[in-house]
Amino acid sequence: DQQVKQNSPSLSVQEGRISILNCDYTNSMFDYFLWYKKYPAEGPTFLISISSIKDKNEDGRFTVFLNKSAKHLSLHIVPSQPGDSAVYFCAAPTALNEKLTFGTGTRLTIIP
Amino acid sequence: KAGVTQTPRYLIKTRGQQVTLSCSPISGHRSVSWYQQTPGQGLQFLFEYFSETQRNKGNFPGRFSGRQFSNSRSEMNVSTLELGDSALYLCASSTSGGDTQYFGPGTRLTVL
Repeated sequence: DQQVKQNSPSLSVQEGRISILNCDYTNSMFDYFLWYKKYPAEGPTFLISISSIKDKNEDGRFTVFLNKSAKHLSLHIVPSQPGDSAVYFCAAPTALNEKLTFGTGTRLTIIP
Repeated sequence: KAGVTQTPRYLIKTRGQQVTLSCSPISGHRSVSWYQQTPGQGLQFLFEYFSETQRNKGNFPGRFSGRQFSNSRSEMNVSTLELGDSALYLCASSTSGGDTQYFGPGTRLTVL
């Protein structure tokens, strides 16, 4: 059962435009969400997180939005830069045993 | 603070052999989690160790095992290797497991 879903396996965005990556979850017990960025042959790098008591968290070019009623979160990158080309994973710790559950990832390609 | 380190970075084995991977967490982190990433797949959770005890386990066969030492360093062992075990194995550390995890660079295992 995929509790964290990223339904878009890939996304291409023009440099300078906004990139929007989406993530849906099914477990209403999730109360903390994280986004990771991963380059090929490297480990994922933590990007930004959001607690369920907020609906938005911003860090520089990265903003994460949380819609609890829709069980949906999104990562906005603006403006998009070539170095943002990577695979992005959303993740959430399960309330019961605290392990992180990851989505399947979205490959973002920024077109110069 | 030094990041998470994993050794070796690359490994080539043949079917039937066994392999041991090592992970040194960030100083002060007591939780170490292991993940498998295969082409086209997301991050599949293997297991998590906290204070030398396996606290969580994913849906992998018993050929996959691990342990954690008193200094929080962790090892993962895969016995009777199969071709399908070829993957990037990632280790992540965190203070408690359910919070932000920091990943190492991974060990690329190829089984021939």
